[in-house]
Amino acid sequence: GAVVSQHPSWVICKSGTSVKIECRSLDFQATTMFWYRQFPKQSLMLMATSNEGSKATYEQGVEKDKFLINHASLTLSTLTVTSAHPEDSSFYICSARDVETRGNTIYFGEGSWLTVV
Amino acid sequence: GQQLNQSPQSMFIQEGEDVSMNCTSSSIFNTWLWYKQDPGEGPVLLIALYKAGELTSNGRLTAQFGITRKDSFLNISASIPSDVGIYFCAARRTSNQFYFGTGTSLTVIP
Repeated sequence: GAVVSQHPSWVICKSGTSVKIECRSLDFQATTMFWYRQFPKQSLMLMATSNEGSKATYEQGVEKDKFLINHASLTLSTLTVTSAHPEDSSFYICSARDVETRGNTIYFGEGSWLTVV
Repeated sequence: GQQLNQSPQSMFIQEGEDVSMNCTSSSIFNTWLWYKQDPGEGPVLLIALYKAGELTSNGRLTAQFGITRKDSFLNISASIPSDVGIYFCAARRTSNQFYFGTGTSLTVIP
């Protein structure tokens, strides 16, 4: 099946620094990717929709200047958490839409644990 | 925001028992998807449903796309310890409009 890879799997950074998380679709082209945040034992919270070649669409309440999203190619989207604070610590997951499959199936990355100290 | 009501929120069952969970909505959807998430990992697609009334199996898992297009259920037969995890439903209305259920946490007691 389709594979979506995230990197890094986990990262620890100091408060005030920025950290970048990559999301790659390995065997299909993804014009649209999605970024989520998940707190322990809770559902996925959609942060933004990443569109290849254009600006991301952010959900209400998500700071676009803090969570920078770039979708530079059909297989790569990046999420940069700028000036990270401890409250940004979370599990971040991306997904990519495979337009070639019936129903535009979504496949998820493995997730990235961010800890801000 | 989420528009899918998933139930139950959590389940504790004995190994070997069957499991049933469902997602409902007041809106009509074109695709229903079921995912399983193991702790610390991303959700993995289990079953995808594309047509109202469609019944699809994947091993011990069976899911159906409700005839009204407003609901879907997932059944797991003869549960085993590795079935433990959080199960999410997701539904698509248009190309980019995907919504997620709140998840069902499944615990299987050996």
